[in-house]
Amino acid sequence: QKEVEQNSGPLSVPEGAIASLNCTYSDRGSQSFFWYRQYSGKSPELIMFIYSNGDKEDGRFTAQLNKASQYVSLLIRDSQPSDSATYLCAVNSATSGTYKYIFGTGTRLKVLA
Amino acid sequence: DVKVTQSSRYLVKRTGEKVFLECVQDMDHENMFWYRQDPGLGLRLIYFSYDVKMKEKGDIPEGYSVSREKKERFSLILESASTNQTSMYLCASSSSDRAGYGYTFGSGTRLTVV
Repeated sequence: QKEVEQNSGPLSVPEGAIASLNCTYSDRGSQSFFWYRQYSGKSPELIMFIYSNGDKEDGRFTAQLNKASQYVSLLIRDSQPSDSATYLCAVNSATSGTYKYIFGTGTRLKVLA
Repeated sequence: DVKVTQSSRYLVKRTGEKVFLECVQDMDHENMFWYRQDPGLGLRLIYFSYDVKMKEKGDIPEGYSVSREKKERFSLILESASTNQTSMYLCASSSSDRAGYGYTFGSGTRLTVV
């Protein structure tokens, strides 16, 4: 079992819809959870982080964490074509060390105009 | 604006050459990382460093070495480049005080070994 799993996609949503991206992780000791956006040919950029169970909202983005079920999700409201990118989930694992994160392979999102 | 700067955006090297990839950050971060990213394989950690002159192997260190002589600079060295090291190389840094705040990545170096 991979330590951090994401559906590779592509996930296609129409412009204006809600895009829902999911990530599961295997280490119950994980403490910090991150979502990065990566445009084609570019490096990842951090868009959200979450530590506590529940929801965290930032503009059109909402991160949701459920530690009991070991999943973290990212909702993008009012999706725009400029949101088309690969979204990487990253987890700080208790076994990997505090400062080292484990990345999923990413979900490719396509927002259709 | 805080930055992680990688010295080259694109690099073409010949098999057997010794290759140096440089990374400099201006955020006074303690932690620095080198990843490679390949389609379908995601980000794989090569080496990382928590302090000057300190280094630890990541998941795929074979064929690579690193150097951290100054806090702001972390170099990745390909001892004898091979075609299977053709990849996108990403440097990242983070603060120990703000370890939960994620990495800042450089813009990446796309290395082609011919």
